[in-house]
Amino acid sequence: GESVGLHLPTLSVQEGDNSIINCAYSNSASDYFIWYKQESGKGPQFIIDIRSNMDKRQGQRVTVLLNKTVKHLSLQIAATQPGDSAVYFCAENGSQAGTALIFGKGTTLSVSS
Amino acid sequence: DAGVIQSPRHEVTEMGQEVTLRCKPISGHNSLFWYRQTMMRGLELLIYFNNNVPIDDSGMPEDRFSAKMPNASFSTLKIQPSEPRDSAVYFCASSLIGGRSYGYTFGSGTRLTVV
Repeated sequence: GESVGLHLPTLSVQEGDNSIINCAYSNSASDYFIWYKQESGKGPQFIIDIRSNMDKRQGQRVTVLLNKTVKHLSLQIAATQPGDSAVYFCAENGSQAGTALIFGKGTTLSVSS
Repeated sequence: DAGVIQSPRHEVTEMGQEVTLRCKPISGHNSLFWYRQTMMRGLELLIYFNNNVPIDDSGMPEDRFSAKMPNASFSTLKIQPSEPRDSAVYFCASSLIGGRSYGYTFGSGTRLTVV
């Protein structure tokens, strides 16, 4: 069945380092993926999305990579800052428009200065 | 835009009482989602609406939970009677689904504690 998961529950990095957060998905029919950031006491916030016809998309300090062969998604954060400390979720949707997103359990990113 | 607005932010209630959570989606969005978040189970979809019509309520735990969307600008999630295991953060999210990009905008959540 459909499932979205994350390889590591926690990631600790030093300020200024690059961070990589990974995600695996099992539904090969999924064609849309999103990364969310959730800070303590707040709702998840959209970071970046990618469609299955792409393998890379860049935003401001963030890059999402999609490897459809192994059904793997990653979020790269360049020059990680203390403000990046949060829980990061990947989410997927199947190819059918209008269905709800399925979220993984989340990876906690801790940035120390 | 004020974003997705949820109320109350915090709710403490006694077991057996009725609880009503409220959500105002972003104006113009045509889909609304209710999620529940716990440490053990993460973000779970409870129910979602397209154009005010419930599409999938398979995530609603049991008959004690009900959700309504009487119009495009308001939705409620009701728990009656509430139980301690319902304690969680409940999020509402809205989206414009029609194109192929449909990232959700989440509200700040309602932290529910049932004692």
